[in-house]
Amino acid sequence: DTGVSQDPRHKITKRGQNVTFRCDPISEHNRLYWYRQTLGQGPEFLTYFQNEAQLEKSRLLSDRFSAERPKGSFSTLEIQRTEQGDSAMYLCASSMWGQYSGANVLTFGAGSRLTVL
Amino acid sequence: GENVEQHPSTLSVQEGDSAVIKCTYSDSASNYFPWYKQELGKRPQLIIDIRSNVGEKKDQRIAVTLNKTAKHFSLHITETQPEDSAVYFCAASINNNDMRFGAGTRLTVKP
Repeated sequence: DTGVSQDPRHKITKRGQNVTFRCDPISEHNRLYWYRQTLGQGPEFLTYFQNEAQLEKSRLLSDRFSAERPKGSFSTLEIQRTEQGDSAMYLCASSMWGQYSGANVLTFGAGSRLTVL
Repeated sequence: GENVEQHPSTLSVQEGDSAVIKCTYSDSASNYFPWYKQELGKRPQLIIDIRSNVGEKKDQRIAVTLNKTAKHFSLHITETQPEDSAVYFCAASINNNDMRFGAGTRLTVKP
């Protein structure tokens, strides 16, 4: 296990198509986060999971976005009916969270770059 | 939810000078404040973090200070080197839950 893996690294699609991204976190990590990053901006929070439970979803996220982590390991982020505004880098991060741990250090994946034509 | 503001958006310094990046947060319940460095084309990586029970933390040339009353925290880099050139992001979270990031500061260190 060498870190957080994301697939695909690049995706080019036409407007209106559906896309799905996969994230494989560090195996012992119980939390998994999805962020979106556009050029010149910081990572924008989308959603996060603790094990298989989705604990929070950004209110900025439209109904076209859905994420799952069915077995508490890998996660998928699906975007339906893509729009040009969805073009961005989609970053996944994982962490080992504990109620009494000192910090929640996020380890990021390399990201999946989406281009919607 | 938490809102994190970061300033400046760009910062250029001469090699050897110090650099300071400042962030403010909105939710007084936030208690964990990490800083991430993102080099061009690479993923963000944690460089230092601080919890709300301390006011300052230092790691070699990097230090972070926290003012809970004013709800702001700062990253200080001393004796800057060209390899410090990158985009730096601050973040804040409550009880290590969802992490909200600032918009980033592009630091350029001129040799």
